[in-house]
Amino acid sequence: KQEVTQIPAALSVPEGENLVLNCSFTDSAIYNLQWFRQDPGKGLTSLLLIQSSQREQTSGRLNASLDKSSGRSTLYIAASQPGDSATYLCAAYGGSQGNLIFGKGTKLSVKP
Amino acid sequence: KAGVTQTPRYLIKTRGQQVTLSCSPISGHRSVSWYQQTPGQGLQFLFEYFSETQRNKGNFPGRFSGRQFSNSRSEMNVSTLELGDSALYLCASSAGTAVRYEQYFGPGTRLTVT
Repeated sequence: KQEVTQIPAALSVPEGENLVLNCSFTDSAIYNLQWFRQDPGKGLTSLLLIQSSQREQTSGRLNASLDKSSGRSTLYIAASQPGDSATYLCAAYGGSQGNLIFGKGTKLSVKP
Repeated sequence: KAGVTQTPRYLIKTRGQQVTLSCSPISGHRSVSWYQQTPGQGLQFLFEYFSETQRNKGNFPGRFSGRQFSNSRSEMNVSTLELGDSALYLCASSAGTAVRYEQYFGPGTRLTVT
């Protein structure tokens, strides 16, 4: 059964720092991995989708990598801003369950 | 393109009642998935519909059901509500089956059961 873990659960950084959010999954037989952002009380905003055949994806200040063999993905945020404050969720699709399995998220706070 | 819309945004129901939530996907998207989000369990998959057929179902009791219409709009129904059903219910749409396609989420319906 696929399990997705995100460490740390919460992170506080000063504005301008580069940071890395971690995501690990137990079943490497995934089709893709997606990173989302969720603001308090809101739905999820898709940030990046990495297909199983890809190693990384980039969008603006965000870069996500995928290493299936080690069961890990990282989300790199460059030059963090207060507006980046949100909960970041990763979700793996595939394995034996055939649906998106979410981690519990990392709550990021960027201090001005 | 308009995003995924969900109605209503907020609901308050009493134990034992039933509720129906609605989701309109992005135009052209044929796959709709439903998720339940609670502080304790996080996001959990309920079911996925593609072209009016349920493709996949999560580990929820039979009180949770759904359907998809020919225009891809989807509804989910929860019967005999329990306090533990209080949650944010999110739907997501994608262009095809979720295997290869990015999923786009709606704002959610906040259900409170008293």
